[in-house]
Amino acid sequence: EAQVTQNPRYLITVTGKKLTVTCSQNMNHEYMSWYRQDPGLGLRQIYYSMNVEVTDKGDVPEGYKVSRKEKRNFPLILESPSPNQTSLYFCASSLGGWGTEAFFGQGTRLTVV
Amino acid sequence: GEDVEQSLFLSVREGDSSVINCTYTDSSSTYLYWYKQEPGAGLQLLTYIFSNMDMKQDQRLTVLLNKKDKHLSLRIADTQTGDSAIYFCAERKGAGTASKLTFGTGTRLQVTL
Repeated sequence: EAQVTQNPRYLITVTGKKLTVTCSQNMNHEYMSWYRQDPGLGLRQIYYSMNVEVTDKGDVPEGYKVSRKEKRNFPLILESPSPNQTSLYFCASSLGGWGTEAFFGQGTRLTVV
Repeated sequence: GEDVEQSLFLSVREGDSSVINCTYTDSSSTYLYWYKQEPGAGLQLLTYIFSNMDMKQDQRLTVLLNKKDKHLSLRIADTQTGDSAIYFCAERKGAGTASKLTFGTGTRLQVTL
Protein backbone atom coordinates (compact mmCIF):
# COMPACT_ATOMS: atom_id res chain seq x y z
CA GLU A 1 0.00 0.00 0.00
CA ALA A 2 1.33 3.42 -1.00
CA GLN A 3 1.78 5.53 2.06
CA VAL A 4 3.64 8.24 3.91
CA THR A 5 4.38 7.28 7.52
CA GLN A 6 5.17 9.75 10.24
CA ASN A 7 6.29 9.00 13.77
CA PRO A 8 5.37 9.73 16.42
CA ARG A 9 1.70 10.68 16.00
CA TYR A 10 1.67 12.56 19.28
CA LEU A 11 4.51 14.08 21.25
CA ILE A 12 4.70 16.27 24.32
CA THR A 13 8.13 17.64 25.13
CA VAL A 14 9.82 20.37 27.11
CA THR A 15 11.43 23.54 25.82
CA GLY A 16 14.96 22.99 24.59
CA LYS A 17 14.94 19.21 24.36
CA LYS A 18 15.99 18.15 20.89
CA LEU A 19 13.54 15.98 18.99
CA THR A 20 13.15 14.35 15.59
CA VAL A 21 9.95 13.55 13.74
CA THR A 22 10.49 10.84 11.17
CA CYS A 23 8.84 10.61 7.75
CA SER A 24 9.12 7.71 5.38
CA GLN A 25 7.47 7.04 2.00
CA ASN A 26 7.35 3.81 0.05
CA MET A 27 6.52 5.22 -3.38
CA ASN A 28 10.04 6.13 -4.56
CA HIS A 29 8.97 9.78 -4.72
CA GLU A 30 11.53 12.45 -5.40
CA TYR A 31 9.75 15.36 -3.75
CA MET A 32 9.13 15.51 -0.03
CA SER A 33 8.01 18.36 2.14
CA TRP A 34 7.15 19.31 5.71
CA TYR A 35 4.21 21.54 6.66
CA ARG A 36 2.82 22.83 9.89
CA GLN A 37 -0.89 23.41 10.37
CA ASP A 38 -2.12 26.05 12.76
CA PRO A 39 -5.69 27.26 13.33
CA GLY A 40 -6.64 30.05 10.96
CA LEU A 41 -3.33 29.82 9.10
CA GLY A 42 -3.79 26.71 7.00
CA LEU A 43 -0.70 24.75 6.03
CA ARG A 44 2.62 26.49 5.81
CA GLN A 45 5.65 24.87 4.27
CA ILE A 46 8.68 24.46 6.51
CA TYR A 47 11.22 22.72 4.27
CA TYR A 48 11.15 20.72 1.09
CA SER A 49 13.46 18.39 -0.78
CA MET A 50 13.62 17.77 -4.49
CA ASN A 51 15.86 14.73 -4.21
CA VAL A 52 18.53 13.08 -2.10
CA GLU A 53 20.89 15.64 -0.56
CA VAL A 54 18.83 18.50 -2.01
CA THR A 55 16.83 20.49 0.53
CA ASP A 56 15.53 24.05 0.63
CA LYS A 57 13.68 26.37 2.96
CA GLY A 58 9.96 26.86 2.73
CA ASP A 59 7.98 29.73 4.19
CA VAL A 60 8.62 29.12 7.89
CA PRO A 61 11.98 27.35 8.29
CA GLU A 62 13.21 29.07 11.46
CA GLY A 63 13.88 26.64 14.29
CA TYR A 64 13.81 23.56 12.08
CA LYS A 65 16.30 21.38 10.25
CA VAL A 66 15.86 18.55 7.78
CA SER A 67 18.02 16.00 6.05
CA ARG A 68 17.58 13.79 2.99
CA LYS A 69 20.26 11.14 3.07
CA GLU A 70 18.11 8.60 1.29
CA LYS A 71 15.11 8.92 -0.96
CA ARG A 72 12.51 7.37 1.30
CA ASN A 73 13.24 9.30 4.50
CA PHE A 74 12.91 12.98 5.32
CA PRO A 75 13.20 13.63 9.06
CA LEU A 76 12.29 16.95 10.66
CA ILE A 77 14.61 18.03 13.46
CA LEU A 78 13.89 20.57 16.16
CA GLU A 79 17.23 21.28 17.83
CA SER A 80 15.80 23.41 20.62
CA PRO A 81 12.00 23.33 20.55
CA SER A 82 10.03 26.31 21.84
CA PRO A 83 6.33 26.65 22.72
CA ASN A 84 5.61 28.50 19.46
CA GLN A 85 6.46 25.28 17.65
CA THR A 86 3.46 23.60 19.18
CA SER A 87 1.53 22.59 16.09
CA LEU A 88 0.28 19.80 13.86
CA TYR A 89 2.97 18.70 11.43
CA PHE A 90 2.50 16.95 8.10
CA CYS A 91 4.97 15.30 5.81
CA ALA A 92 4.09 14.98 2.12
CA SER A 93 5.65 13.39 -0.93
CA SER A 94 5.02 13.40 -4.65
CA LEU A 95 6.53 11.80 -7.72
CA GLY A 96 7.52 14.92 -9.60
CA GLY A 97 6.74 18.57 -9.32
CA TRP A 98 3.79 19.67 -7.31
CA GLY A 99 1.49 19.40 -10.31
CA THR A 100 1.16 15.74 -9.48
CA GLU A 101 -0.71 14.43 -6.52
CA ALA A 102 0.90 14.95 -3.15
CA PHE A 103 0.46 12.18 -0.58
CA PHE A 104 0.28 13.25 3.03
CA GLY A 105 1.19 11.48 6.23
CA GLN A 106 -1.26 11.17 9.13
CA GLY A 107 0.24 14.08 11.00
CA THR A 108 2.24 14.56 14.20
CA ARG A 109 0.71 16.63 16.96
CA LEU A 110 3.55 18.26 18.87
CA THR A 111 3.16 20.12 22.15
CA VAL A 112 6.13 21.99 23.61
CA VAL A 113 5.72 23.07 27.22
CA GLY B 1 -0.46 39.54 -0.84
CA GLU B 2 0.72 36.00 -0.37
CA ASP B 3 -2.43 34.56 1.20
CA VAL B 4 -4.85 32.10 -0.29
CA GLU B 5 -8.13 32.96 1.39
CA GLN B 6 -11.11 30.86 2.36
CA SER B 7 -13.99 31.33 4.71
CA LEU B 8 -13.45 29.34 7.89
CA PHE B 9 -16.77 27.60 8.31
CA LEU B 10 -19.76 26.35 6.30
CA SER B 11 -22.81 24.49 7.54
CA VAL B 12 -25.23 22.72 5.19
CA ARG B 13 -28.04 20.23 5.54
CA GLU B 14 -27.67 16.71 4.29
CA GLY B 15 -28.82 16.45 0.69
CA ASP B 16 -28.22 20.12 -0.10
CA SER B 17 -25.36 21.42 -2.23
CA SER B 18 -22.25 22.87 -0.61
CA VAL B 19 -20.18 25.59 -2.22
CA ILE B 20 -16.76 26.32 -0.80
CA ASN B 21 -14.99 29.39 -2.11
CA CYS B 22 -11.35 30.32 -2.40
CA THR B 23 -9.46 33.39 -3.58
CA TYR B 24 -5.92 32.81 -4.69
CA THR B 25 -3.09 35.18 -5.28
CA ASP B 26 -1.03 34.43 -8.35
CA SER B 27 -2.57 34.87 -11.78
CA SER B 28 0.23 32.74 -13.22
CA SER B 29 -0.61 29.74 -11.04
CA THR B 30 -0.77 26.68 -13.26
CA TYR B 31 -2.71 24.22 -11.13
CA LEU B 32 -5.32 24.74 -8.44
CA TYR B 33 -6.28 22.01 -6.03
CA TRP B 34 -8.87 20.98 -3.51
CA TYR B 35 -7.80 18.78 -0.60
CA LYS B 36 -9.97 17.19 2.06
CA GLN B 37 -8.87 16.62 5.65
CA GLU B 38 -10.97 14.31 7.77
CA PRO B 39 -10.61 14.41 11.56
CA GLY B 40 -7.30 12.98 12.74
CA ALA B 41 -6.05 12.37 9.22
CA GLY B 42 -3.75 13.91 6.68
CA LEU B 43 -4.85 15.73 3.56
CA GLN B 44 -6.27 13.82 0.65
CA LEU B 45 -6.36 15.23 -2.87
CA LEU B 46 -9.97 15.56 -4.08
CA THR B 47 -9.52 17.16 -7.44
CA TYR B 48 -7.48 19.69 -9.33
CA ILE B 49 -7.95 21.97 -12.30
CA PHE B 50 -5.58 23.37 -14.86
CA SER B 51 -5.51 27.13 -15.11
CA ASN B 52 -6.65 27.04 -18.74
CA MET B 53 -9.94 25.39 -17.75
CA ASP B 54 -13.09 27.07 -16.46
CA MET B 55 -14.80 24.05 -15.02
CA LYS B 56 -14.15 20.47 -14.09
CA GLN B 57 -16.73 17.95 -12.98
CA ASP B 58 -16.01 14.71 -11.21
CA GLN B 59 -19.07 12.83 -9.94
CA ARG B 60 -20.55 14.96 -7.13
CA LEU B 61 -17.76 17.51 -7.32
CA THR B 62 -17.72 20.55 -9.59
CA VAL B 63 -14.80 22.96 -9.65
CA LEU B 64 -15.26 26.41 -11.13
CA LEU B 65 -12.35 28.69 -11.92
CA ASN B 66 -12.60 32.41 -12.62
CA LYS B 67 -9.10 33.47 -13.60
CA LYS B 68 -10.01 37.11 -13.99
CA ASP B 69 -11.10 37.34 -10.36
CA LYS B 70 -8.66 34.64 -9.14
CA HIS B 71 -11.59 32.81 -7.64
CA LEU B 72 -11.94 29.07 -7.25
CA SER B 73 -14.96 27.21 -5.95
CA LEU B 74 -15.82 23.63 -5.06
CA ARG B 75 -19.43 22.52 -5.28
CA ILE B 76 -20.44 19.27 -3.64
CA ALA B 77 -23.81 18.02 -4.82
CA ASP B 78 -26.08 16.01 -2.52
CA THR B 79 -23.85 16.63 0.49
CA GLN B 80 -23.57 13.68 2.87
CA THR B 81 -22.48 13.43 6.50
CA GLY B 82 -19.30 11.76 5.28
CA ASP B 83 -18.41 15.00 3.54
CA SER B 84 -17.92 16.71 6.90
CA ALA B 85 -14.25 17.70 6.93
CA ILE B 86 -11.90 20.61 6.41
CA TYR B 87 -11.40 21.55 2.77
CA PHE B 88 -8.24 23.28 1.61
CA CYS B 89 -7.67 24.98 -1.69
CA ALA B 90 -4.09 25.28 -2.89
CA GLU B 91 -2.33 26.91 -5.76
CA ARG B 92 0.81 25.81 -7.52
CA LYS B 93 3.16 28.70 -8.03
CA GLY B 94 6.23 28.63 -10.21
CA ALA B 95 7.26 25.90 -12.59
CA GLY B 96 9.28 22.69 -12.57
CA THR B 97 11.62 22.18 -9.67
CA ALA B 98 10.97 25.70 -8.36
CA SER B 99 7.25 25.20 -8.01
CA LYS B 100 5.51 24.94 -4.66
CA LEU B 101 2.06 24.50 -3.20
CA THR B 102 0.52 27.32 -1.20
CA PHE B 103 -2.49 26.34 0.88
CA GLY B 104 -5.47 28.32 2.02
CA THR B 105 -6.60 28.50 5.62
CA GLY B 106 -9.14 25.72 5.18
CA THR B 107 -12.96 25.69 5.35
CA ARG B 108 -14.61 23.45 7.90
CA LEU B 109 -17.75 21.91 6.37
CA GLN B 110 -20.37 20.73 8.82
CA VAL B 111 -23.20 18.61 7.46
CA THR B 112 -26.33 18.50 9.59
CA LEU B 113 -29.24 16.09 9.45
